[in-house]
Amino acid sequence: NAGVMQNPRHLVRRRGQEARLRCSPMKGHSHVYWYRQLPEEGLKFMVYLQKENIIDESGMPKERFSAEFPKEGPSILRIQQVVRGDSAAYFCASSPTGVSNQPQHFGDGTRLSIL
Amino acid sequence: KQEVTQIPAALSVPEGENLVLNCSFTDSAIYNLQWFRQDPGKGLTSLLLIQSSQREQTSGRLNASLDKSSGRSTLYIAASQPGDSATYLCAVNGASNYQLIWGAGTKLIIKP
Repeated sequence: NAGVMQNPRHLVRRRGQEARLRCSPMKGHSHVYWYRQLPEEGLKFMVYLQKENIIDESGMPKERFSAEFPKEGPSILRIQQVVRGDSAAYFCASSPTGVSNQPQHFGDGTRLSIL
Repeated sequence: KQEVTQIPAALSVPEGENLVLNCSFTDSAIYNLQWFRQDPGKGLTSLLLIQSSQREQTSGRLNASLDKSSGRSTLYIAASQPGDSATYLCAVNGASNYQLIWGAGTKLIIKP
């Protein structure tokens, strides 16, 4: 029973390039959450998605960032025209439903480095 | 606005000692609180989840308590081992019902 799978584990981009981070939730989970952990800081919520729907993107920067969770395939967090300040660890979590009594299961994260 | 604070930021103790990590939160209107472990360069491992109606949860050598009215939770680790060395994070699930609000973590080092 595979856990939450994120790839790539490490991603290096130059300023101005695009970064695509992928997240495959646990089997049977249809709710996905993305969090960002900046260096020496705590995790911050970015976006919550269900299949084909963005439920809450209040934590995501308005520009350059977008997320999707298509009917088939993984959830994608896309960062366009990356800048140095985007360097961080990006974590994805999933849960079977969105109710509060179920824990969110986390992947190992993608460490994004911007040169 | 919910804020989560973890004290201390770092802790170093000899192997075998019992220890307590603290987490406080400013808004008592939470659905649950989770404790996680993060190893360097690795992901997050959920240790314990306490629902707002519960007072404590136990798993092996770990015991987490929750006092919602005072906005506090503690993680008790018994008979610490070098393998317990990691950063411990606490996160609360607040009024949004899904958005976890995180503390900055306590970096724990267990000396052999």
